[in-house]
Amino acid sequence: QKEVEQDPGPLSVPEGAIVSLNCTYSNSAFQYFMWYRQYSRKGPELLMYTYSSGNKEDGRFTAQVDKSSKYISLFIRDSQPSDSATYLCAAQNTGFQKLVFGTGTRLLVSP
Amino acid sequence: DTAVSQTPKYLVTQMGNDKSIKCEQNLGHDTMYWYKQDSKKFLKIMFSYNNKELIINETVPNRFSPKSPDKAHLNLHINSLELGDSAVYFCASSQGGQNYGYTFGSGTRLTVV
Repeated sequence: QKEVEQDPGPLSVPEGAIVSLNCTYSNSAFQYFMWYRQYSRKGPELLMYTYSSGNKEDGRFTAQVDKSSKYISLFIRDSQPSDSATYLCAAQNTGFQKLVFGTGTRLLVSP
Repeated sequence: DTAVSQTPKYLVTQMGNDKSIKCEQNLGHDTMYWYKQDSKKFLKIMFSYNNKELIINETVPNRFSPKSPDKAHLNLHINSLELGDSAVYFCASSQGGQNYGYTFGSGTRLTVV
C-alpha cells in the first residue's frame, strides 16, 4: 500500500465547474500537506501548502486537510481549460523527511 | 532566471552505457533532491542532499550515484543502464528540509533502448 493514495482519473469536467480532488494517506506522522500541478512534459509546481488540519484558500483554489480521517482535498472553483493538468498531492513529516507523493489525478476541463 | 535547471532534457542511450544528468539551482536553497517519475506519473524520491551532505538515500540500485560538489549543484550518474531505468528524472530544491514547497526542474526524460 502506498503511503499517499490518489485516484488517477482522468476527471473530465466542463468549464466553470467546481472540481474536487482527493487523497488519502496512511502515515499519521505526516504534518505538512501540499498540492502540486504538473502540466504535460513539465516539472511539478507548488499550488498549495497546508500545515496540519484546516483549510487554506488562494484565489480559486481551496485546500483542506482532515487529519482525523487522513483525508486531503483540493477544490477548484470556476475551473478553466488552463487548469487541465495532473494534480499531485504530497505529504511530509517534520524535518528533513522525504516528501511523499500520490500518483496524481489527471484533470481535463473542456471549453 | 531563478530556477532549477537540468541538463540534458532528453537522453536516449543503449543498455549498458553510463550516463550523467546535471542539476543546478540559483535559488539559494541548501537542500536538493532527485526524484524518479515512472510511466504512471508516480514520483518517488531517490536522494536528498543538504549542504553537500547526503541525508536521504532511498532503496536505489548502487548503479545510481549522486554527487553534490556544492549546495547549488546535484548531479546523478548512472552506470550500466537498464531498460527499467527509463523514466523522467526530476531535480528539486528547497530551503532546509522543510515543506515550504520544493521547486522542481523541468525533468530529464531518459530512454534506455
